[in-house]
Amino acid sequence: DADVTQTPRNRITKTGKRIMLECSQTKGHDRMYWYRQDPGLGLRLIYYSFDVKDINKGEISDGYSVSRQAQAKFSLSLESAIPNQTALYFCATSDPREGRDGYTFGSGTRLTVV
Amino acid sequence: GENVEQHPSTLSVQEGDSAVIKCTYSDSASNYFPWYKQELGKRPQLIIDIRSNVGEKKDQRIAVTLNKTAKHFSLHITETQPEDSAVYFCAASRNNAGNMLTFGGGTRLMVKP
Repeated sequence: DADVTQTPRNRITKTGKRIMLECSQTKGHDRMYWYRQDPGLGLRLIYYSFDVKDINKGEISDGYSVSRQAQAKFSLSLESAIPNQTALYFCATSDPREGRDGYTFGSGTRLTVV
Repeated sequence: GENVEQHPSTLSVQEGDSAVIKCTYSDSASNYFPWYKQELGKRPQLIIDIRSNVGEKKDQRIAVTLNKTAKHFSLHITETQPEDSAVYFCAASRNNAGNMLTFGGGTRLMVKP
């Protein structure tokens, strides 16, 4: 399903370059998240946003920034990419209303920094 | 903040056997515990969840148990099949944190035919 869409799906970039990963959703959820997945480390929270005017740092925000352009769009930027930012990145959305816990994940962006 | 630990990191079973994955959490205020399955190259998808007012929940071949006193919860898969092979993540959250999830490190389950 395409209710949470991430672009690009794969990207190779050079050290020092700026790169933006985009996430858009059609679920109408207010809450959006960016996670990073590394082997053996699970999913670690980078940034999250509970509405358009709300941006919060997560566990590993250093080296990243975000923009919540609209309820449906949440972008993650690497201002100056470095090799240890090579990872699989997931965007997720959620609806906090009672009985509707749980995330919907995007398909992921595999980023390689060389 | 919350810390979730998951064991084992890898698990190999024969088809038809049972598999158990265990997680512990640190925040006694956590009250929602979902499990996600991630097949190779795909996004994590919710397979079952449990709230702190329930001790066990079943859905066909999968079940989750919760021990609030010990702060641990487990995923049980019975009669495993090759299509159960995937990475499984546990997670925890508190309602007043807006259901933001803290994830365990994941378990790679391999079901051998």
